[in-house]
Amino acid sequence: QVTLKESGPGILQPSQTLSLTCTFSGFSLSTYGMGVGWIRQPSGKGLEWLANIWWDDDKYYNPSLKNRLTISKDTSNNQAFLKITNVDTADTATYYCARTEFITIAAISTGNWFAYWGQGTLVTVSS
Amino acid sequence: DIQMTQSPASLSASLEEIVTITCQASQDIGNWLAWYQQKPGKSPQLLIYDATSLADGVPSRFSGSRSGTQYSLKISRLQVEDIGSYYCQQAHSNPLTFGSGTKLEIK
Repeated sequence: QVTLKESGPGILQPSQTLSLTCTFSGFSLSTYGMGVGWIRQPSGKGLEWLANIWWDDDKYYNPSLKNRLTISKDTSNNQAFLKITNVDTADTATYYCARTEFITIAAISTGNWFAYWGQGTLVTVSS
Repeated sequence: DIQMTQSPASLSASLEEIVTITCQASQDIGNWLAWYQQKPGKSPQLLIYDATSLADGVPSRFSGSRSGTQYSLKISRLQVEDIGSYYCQQAHSNPLTFGSGTKLEIK
């Protein structure tokens, strides 16, 4: 059974660094083709992809957040992390982590969608 | 970036009605398209991947189709438990992008 759970500070002040942790079970980030992504959703609004990290430590970021994002993983403890520097009120949102995968079968590739999601953690940026 | 233009933004339909939501990709993404359902207060749930494949445990009244760069999600017989928001996502290239969402209500 695949589960993911996000944890974060709840509230933080503008200009601080947001640190989020995703603790998961039911799969390993050392398994070929596995990945974890971070997606956020401001209240009442749509979904925004932030970053993915893959089994081979490849990392991809949403350039709209410029150089503020850092994604990492701790394979032995089944955790993934996301840091966002210099937060402001526009970063107030529910942050989700989700499992993704990239599969190649008979030379046909698929994946990069999110089959399992955490419950989300609400982060509020306020002075 | 690949833009996903989703329509309609909101939809009110009767029980047992057929409902269709569409997403238009700004460029060719092949079958690299997923659909999600998000019930109020809950996390998104994968419905469709590879444009037409039904995710595990998803009722067969949900289906996905593709015509060129236009993608559709169809609910064949709307049920009460289908209320919520629906999002498409292109999985073709980074940055991954979502449609703006469709809020589905029961008439």
